[in-house]
Amino acid sequence: RKEVEQDPGPFNVPEGATVAFNCTYSNSASQSFFWYRQDCRKEPKLLMSVYSSGNEDGRFTAQLNRASQYISLLIRDSKLSDSATYLCVVNNAGNNRKLIWGLGTSLAVNP
Amino acid sequence: DAMVIQNPRYQVTQFGKPVTLSCSQTLNHNVMYWYQQKSSQAPKLLFHYYDKDFNNEADTPDNFQSRRPNTSFCFLDIRSPGLGDAAMYLCATSRAGPDTQYFGPGTRLTVL
Repeated sequence: RKEVEQDPGPFNVPEGATVAFNCTYSNSASQSFFWYRQDCRKEPKLLMSVYSSGNEDGRFTAQLNRASQYISLLIRDSKLSDSATYLCVVNNAGNNRKLIWGLGTSLAVNP
Repeated sequence: DAMVIQNPRYQVTQFGKPVTLSCSQTLNHNVMYWYQQKSSQAPKLLFHYYDKDFNNEADTPDNFQSRRPNTSFCFLDIRSPGLGDAAMYLCATSRAGPDTQYFGPGTRLTVL
């Protein structure tokens, strides 16, 4: 089993749609969770950290379920500019300075 | 603005010709990382420095070396680039601990 697993997609959605990405992680001792966004041929950029209580930033909502070792990202009212790859990232419980990266989920928002 | 800078943005080298990639940061972060990312793959950690303490990944080839002369700068040396080393090389920084990593724009390496 991969340490961080994501559905690779691609997800093709119309503008205005709501889309949800899911991610599972294998190490129950992991403490920090993130969603990064990566545009084609660009560097990853932090979208949001994920907290146990769940957190929201505008159209983006992240949820963490520790019991199920599951992380989600919900994007409401999709914009064309949301088209990117979304990477689920978890800290390495054995070495806090290292992150474990999912392969990413590709999103294309269409006019 | 505090940031992570990488130079050059694009590097073309010949097979076997050594190349050095540069990273600098104004964030004053303790940790600096080098990742290799190939198309449709997740970033792959090569090594990282925690202050002056070098931490190599077990599967990083010996062909890849790194130097961190001071807090602000870190270099990636590829001693004898092969065709399989063509990739995007990403530098990132973080404070100590399980913290967010901030990435530079990357250097895209082409090996001819």
